[in-house]
Amino acid sequence: KQEVTQIPAALSVPEGENLVLNCSFTDSAIYNLQWFRQDPGKGLTSLLLIQSSQREQTSGRLNASLDKSSGRSTLYIAASQPGDSATYLCAVFGGSNYKLTFGKGTLLTVNP
Amino acid sequence: SQTIHQWPATLVQPVGSPLSLECTVEGTSNPNLYWYRQAAGRGLQLLFYSVGIGQISSEVPQNLSASRPQDRQFILSSKKLLLSDSGFYLCAWSDYTEAFFGQGTRLTVV
Repeated sequence: KQEVTQIPAALSVPEGENLVLNCSFTDSAIYNLQWFRQDPGKGLTSLLLIQSSQREQTSGRLNASLDKSSGRSTLYIAASQPGDSATYLCAVFGGSNYKLTFGKGTLLTVNP
Repeated sequence: SQTIHQWPATLVQPVGSPLSLECTVEGTSNPNLYWYRQAAGRGLQLLFYSVGIGQISSEVPQNLSASRPQDRQFILSSKKLLLSDSGFYLCAWSDYTEAFFGQGTRLTVV
């Protein structure tokens, strides 16, 4: 059974700081890994998708890496802003039953 | 482009009442469809997923059921709600690569 763990559970940083969010998964037989953002009371917004054959993806100030063999992914946020405050969720997609398995997320607070 | 619609946005229901949440997808065919629940302070729990019409897989034994009467329609139901059914319900679709989510339904059972 796939299990996804995200560390830290919560993070508070001053504006402008670079930060790293971590995600690990137990079964390396994945199709892809996806990072989402969730604002309070809202649905999930897709940030980055990394295919299993890829090592990283970048979008603006966000960079996500994937090390499939070790079962790890990191989300790097450069020059953080108060608007980045949200919960960040990591999800892996794979297995014979096409399930999308989520971590519990990292609650990020960027203080002005 | 593909879009996903989920309604209602909020719902307050008494214990023992029935439930029907609907999710529809536009702009794609034969999507994988998912229902998730997010309880307060907890992660996303996969409830049901479907790879085709009439094909439903249940992840957690519970008071809920799901149906897929049409290719792009996914319905979450209950005959009698429990207090523990309260939470944030999210519908999602994927094409075996990327997943997209609806805006969610906040269900409060009173």
